[in-house]
Amino acid sequence: QSVLTQPHSASETPGQRVTISCSGSSSNIGSKPVTWYQHVPGAAPKVLIYNNNQRPSGVPDRFSGSKSGTSASLAISGLQSDDEADYYCGAFDDSLNGWVFGGGTKVTVL
Amino acid sequence: QVQLVESGGGLVNRGGSLRLSCAASGFTFSNFYMSWIRQAPGKGLEWLAYITSSGTYTNYADSVRARFTISRDNAKNSLYLQMNNLRAEDTAMYFCAREDGTHLNFRGQGTLVTVSS
Repeated sequence: QSVLTQPHSASETPGQRVTISCSGSSSNIGSKPVTWYQHVPGAAPKVLIYNNNQRPSGVPDRFSGSKSGTSASLAISGLQSDDEADYYCGAFDDSLNGWVFGGGTKVTVL
Repeated sequence: QVQLVESGGGLVNRGGSLRLSCAASGFTFSNFYMSWIRQAPGKGLEWLAYITSSGTYTNYADSVRARFTISRDNAKNSLYLQMNNLRAEDTAMYFCAREDGTHLNFRGQGTLVTVSS
């Protein structure tokens, strides 16, 4: 049981937009920055969005993040086949004094 | 270029021990907090432990507290995870990550630990 709650899966056709939600609490998302990771099996998880809505250099602007209260979301526009991966939200949790993640959302490009 | 290379995984019997290593390069290792994270088969990411830059302070997830020990050697640019009393549910891919203020920065492909029952 993950501390942060994400949908198990999401799917859309190429070129469309998909949105992934992440729900937490006041001790994590409500008070700390949210990060979104893209994970392809066999590779290191990659930071897509950090500090709620910032993109590292090299990440396309098709990826965007937002946060409101104790929830956050990741949007992927102009969906491409390369976007098929598992996506995780994460944040530091002040109560646990450690990092917490969502259970991951598997994105499928139909 | 930031590099983190995990090693030390393998097959171990239930109740056994294993020591994982993470070799860091491309940055000043002694300036950063570090963490260990794992992913069990079919499961999501699970944070296990962090250690401060000097190694003075550590904290653990309840699932591994008292069984796992995180440590570091700043002179060798290395992070370690000593795992004792291993259980079947510890079977996972183990990653080290650098704490970059607001987030964890993964670079390695991980090292696989399989606990045989």
